[in-house]
Amino acid sequence: DTVLTQSPALAVSPGERVTISCRASESVSTLMHWYQQKPGQQPKLLIYKASNLASGVPARFSGSGSGTDFTFTIDPVEADDIATYYCHQSWNSPLTFGSGTKLEIK
Amino acid sequence: QIQLVQSGPELKKPGESVKISCKASGYTFTDYAMHWVKQAPGKGLKWMGWINTYTGKPTYADDFKGRFVFSLEASASTANLQISNLKNEDTATYFCARWVRDSYAHVDWGQGVMVTVSS
Repeated sequence: DTVLTQSPALAVSPGERVTISCRASESVSTLMHWYQQKPGQQPKLLIYKASNLASGVPARFSGSGSGTDFTFTIDPVEADDIATYYCHQSWNSPLTFGSGTKLEIK
Repeated sequence: QIQLVQSGPELKKPGESVKISCKASGYTFTDYAMHWVKQAPGKGLKWMGWINTYTGKPTYADDFKGRFVFSLEASASTANLQISNLKNEDTATYFCARWVRDSYAHVDWGQGVMVTVSS
């Protein structure tokens, strides 16, 4: 299975820029996606195919990468961005998710 | 607008079965595959597999072969997940998610169903 490795947690202040990385154990081409999940809620798609902004998602969110290395950026961070962010690949079967990066606001 | 509305929470004993539903609205049900994702308490997301809503053919991830069944009630735009011989480790929230081919991603998600297995 394709293992996706994310940093477990980050703490940032509102207004700052934060970057979350996701490294895949094998190439996933550009079929990497990013989801936001707030406590008690379902995941929400933010970025699809590495760099495409999902419908209705603010331009503060962005993504880049291909192959095995991907980044997800929020700039600037807002207090409402407190959540866990998951990377997810759909190039290889089974589809897999990263373990999530919990974003905390200082 | 597109909605996926799942059934309510379930409390079951080990060895029992459970069937949870996911009712879709706002789009043509048979045009998009439905995927299922498991999230154990305090844990991450795990892909369970998917069902072709046009043909009804299910595909299961290895860890979900045997006791898990995906099915459809296409006339009711509903996808179902049945789990038999429940075990404590099946305690989790189960999400359905609409797969959009153009984006190769799960664009819309149900609100999740919490299944608790406890004696």
